[in-house]
This record gives sequence, structure tokens and C-alpha cells, in this order.
Amino acid sequence: NAGVTQTPKFQVLKTGQSMTLQCAQDMNHNSMYWYRQDPGMGLRLIYYSASEGTTDKGEVPNGYNVSRLNKREFSLRLESAAPSQTSVYFCASREGLAGSYEQFFGPGTRLTVL
Amino acid sequence: KNEVEQSPQNLTAQEGEFITINCSYSVGISALHWLQQHPGGGIVSLFMLSSGKKKHGRLIATINIQEKHSSLHITASHPRDSAVYICAVRPYNNNDMRFGAGTRLTVKP
Repeated sequence: NAGVTQTPKFQVLKTGQSMTLQCAQDMNHNSMYWYRQDPGMGLRLIYYSASEGTTDKGEVPNGYNVSRLNKREFSLRLESAAPSQTSVYFCASREGLAGSYEQFFGPGTRLTVL
Repeated sequence: KNEVEQSPQNLTAQEGEFITINCSYSVGISALHWLQQHPGGGIVSLFMLSSGKKKHGRLIATINIQEKHSSLHITASHPRDSAVYICAVRPYNNNDMRFGAGTRLTVKP
């Protein structure tokens, strides 16, 4: 099992460009999450999907959209990138519903917006 | 003020030393997690605690729910323990997690 995979690993964008970060998990988990990690701060939740077909805003959703494409895949889109979105982005999943609360993380995407 | 505070922010130790990393939180929780972030960036879960103490190899995690405090201890530290250690809490009636900023540990040979 690959666990949680993310693409791309690195990306450089110019201000105003758009892109989609892809995330997939092969553990049959119900819940999936997108976080950003900035220096000196804890991981902050951008959006999450408690189960297939649902998405909800987290702590810092502005400037982002998400799609839960199916049970396996949860994508994060930046429609018009800004330098403030320079960060490392992590996708995570957990069994969800009545299952374990342990979250499994992807390797991260390092995004730089110039 | 962050809901989850970790100390110290950075810690340098010599190989073999006993390490303690502290986590304090300000909300009522149903569980606390300790995570390890490797130098390459990957994050793995070490412990999930709701009371008492857990041990895995050289790592020990304790929690005091009344004092809203947890500690992560590493005995006989080794350079391969060098990583960022992250404390996260799961508030009552909330499936979200709240994360500390992490403690960067460097163990020198």
C-alpha cells in the first residue's frame, strides 16, 4: 500500500496563476484533510472532507477550493495564487466515522508563489 | 494565543542524553497526539493518549488531563531521533485537530 500520495512534490507559481494539488489514499479511509504548514506555526486546516460527497471549511479556507472526487481522491485548488500561499501543503486521511482518529499524512507539497 | 503550546521550540542534545519535550493546551480534549516530522518532511503518528502514559521503545508519552499538559520523553537519544516533534489535540465534540508549532530536536553524535 502506498498510503497517502501527493503530487506534485514541488511547485513554483507566479502570482495569479492557478494550480491543483492532488491527493490520493489507498487505505479506504472516509475522512481526508488539507493542511498548510508555515514556519513557526502549527499545521492549519484548510478544508476537510468527513466522508465522500461532503466538504467543509477549516481554519484558513480563503483562496482555496477543494473537490472530493471519490473516496480515494481529494484535490486542493488555488484559483489565483498569492505570495501569502507560499507554504508546505499536507494531505491527510483517517478512517473516520466510528473508526480510529489516527491521521496518516502524505509527503507534502512545497509551493512557492513569486 | 495558540491553543497548543510546545516548549522548547528548539533543542540540541548530545547522543545518549534524556530528552523531554513539553506540550500545554488550553481546551478540553478527548485525546492528544504526538507526531514526528522527519527532516525530509514526512509526518508519522507516534502516540495517541487520553490518559496516563504510553511507551514505545525509547519513547515515552505522558499526559495530565487536569493540568492540561503532556510530555514526550526520549531515553538514550540517538542522532536518528533528530526531527520535529509535534503535539496535537482533539477537542471535545470536534473531529478536527489543533497542532502545536513543533519542537525541533537535533541530537549530535
